[in-house]
Amino acid sequence: QLQLQESGPGLVKPSETLSLTCTVSGGSISSSGHFWGCIRQPPGKGLEWIATINYNGNTYYNPSLKSRVTISVDTAKNQFSLKLSSVTAADTAVYYCARENGYHQIWGQGTMVTVSS
Amino acid sequence: EIVLTQSPATLSLSPGERATLSCRASQSVSSYLAWYQQRPGQAPRLLIYDASNRATGIPARFSGSGSGTDFTLTISSLEPEDFAVYYCQQRSNWPLFTFGPGTKVDFK
Repeated sequence: QLQLQESGPGLVKPSETLSLTCTVSGGSISSSGHFWGCIRQPPGKGLEWIATINYNGNTYYNPSLKSRVTISVDTAKNQFSLKLSSVTAADTAVYYCARENGYHQIWGQGTMVTVSS
Repeated sequence: EIVLTQSPATLSLSPGERATLSCRASQSVSSYLAWYQQRPGQAPRLLIYDASNRATGIPARFSGSGSGTDFTLTISSLEPEDFAVYYCQQRSNWPLFTFGPGTKVDFK
């Protein structure tokens, strides 16, 4: 069945760029009608939608993060990626990837990213 | 921006009891509302979509209702694995999503 796996740096220094890669297995990222998204969860807090992309490269961003976020897709590798620039301690969170079919239907296990010098 | 509020923040119950969780939207989201369950250390899991439809593999003890601004998730008889945090999410202004702050269901 379809699975998503996040990979990230673990630790990022303040003011640098966080890069997250989501690898899709058990299905094609190019399947029509599906979108792919990133969500984050600071320690002990709730969920925040960050961005969404489809296989055509159409992108959608949370307005509160839009100036710092870029999401992209690599259909050849069956992956999509998120970049978040100028990070601060407030960006410390578990970052999740998910397949969207209207809602966030299938989730990866998440990867913890800590922003610290 | 559509804001979702959830109540109560914490619900203390025993196995076998009925749980009733509320989600209220700051403006109408029609039926574009979902519920997710998150167990400790795990990713969220989609339970209910479009207010009242159970996602694949979700037990029948979970049910959702409501439309417009007021929504309810009901767990008819709590099983030990149901003690978790529950989030509502709206997509009425898709492709933008917002989540509620969550309700924790814990052991009385």
